[in-house]
Amino acid sequence: GAVVSQHPSWVICKSGTSVKIECRSLDFQATTMFWYRQFPKQSLMLMATSNEGSKATYEQGVEKDKFLINHASLTLSTLTVTSAHPEDSSFYICSARARAGVETGELFFGEGSRLTVL
Amino acid sequence: RKEVEQDPGPFNVPEGATVAFNCTYSNSASQSFFWYRQDCRKEPKLLMSVYSSGNEDGRFTAQLNRASQYISLLIRDSKLSDSATYLCVVTLNTGGFKTIFGAGTRLFVKA
Repeated sequence: GAVVSQHPSWVICKSGTSVKIECRSLDFQATTMFWYRQFPKQSLMLMATSNEGSKATYEQGVEKDKFLINHASLTLSTLTVTSAHPEDSSFYICSARARAGVETGELFFGEGSRLTVL
Repeated sequence: RKEVEQDPGPFNVPEGATVAFNCTYSNSASQSFFWYRQDCRKEPKLLMSVYSSGNEDGRFTAQLNRASQYISLLIRDSKLSDSATYLCVVTLNTGGFKTIFGAGTRLFVKA
């Protein structure tokens, strides 16, 4: 099946620093990628939809200047948490949908990135 | 009302039990339906797509009732390794796919 790789898996950083998380589709082209965050014992919360070659669409309540998303190619989207604070500590997961032509609605998930801000 | 609602759980069952998960969705224009499984501190993984005709994969059976806007997942002869959170996922195509996750139902299978 399709593979989505996310990096890094774990990151610990000091408050005030910025952290970049990468999401790559390894064997298919992803016109659309999604970024989620998940707090312990809670479900996934969609943060934003990343569209290749255009600006990301952010969900209500998600600060676009705080969570910068770049989808520069059909295989890579990045999420940068700027000036991270302890409340940004969470599990961040990306997912991708294959390019039109194999649209089933199925999502392929990255392995997730656990961010801890000290 | 939430767009996708699931049993709140958790479910605690003994090995060998049959477990049923229920899910309802609010948007009648929903197109695709899935069950995902998520282990603790891991990403969700597709368990099954759900079709109107119903589908079965080994011990797992998924059913969809479009009229009632209801989706189910049945696990027979549950194993310890089935312990996880089960997510009901619905997709709309509103000019682009929108995926909506249920909150998930946690399952604990005990020896």
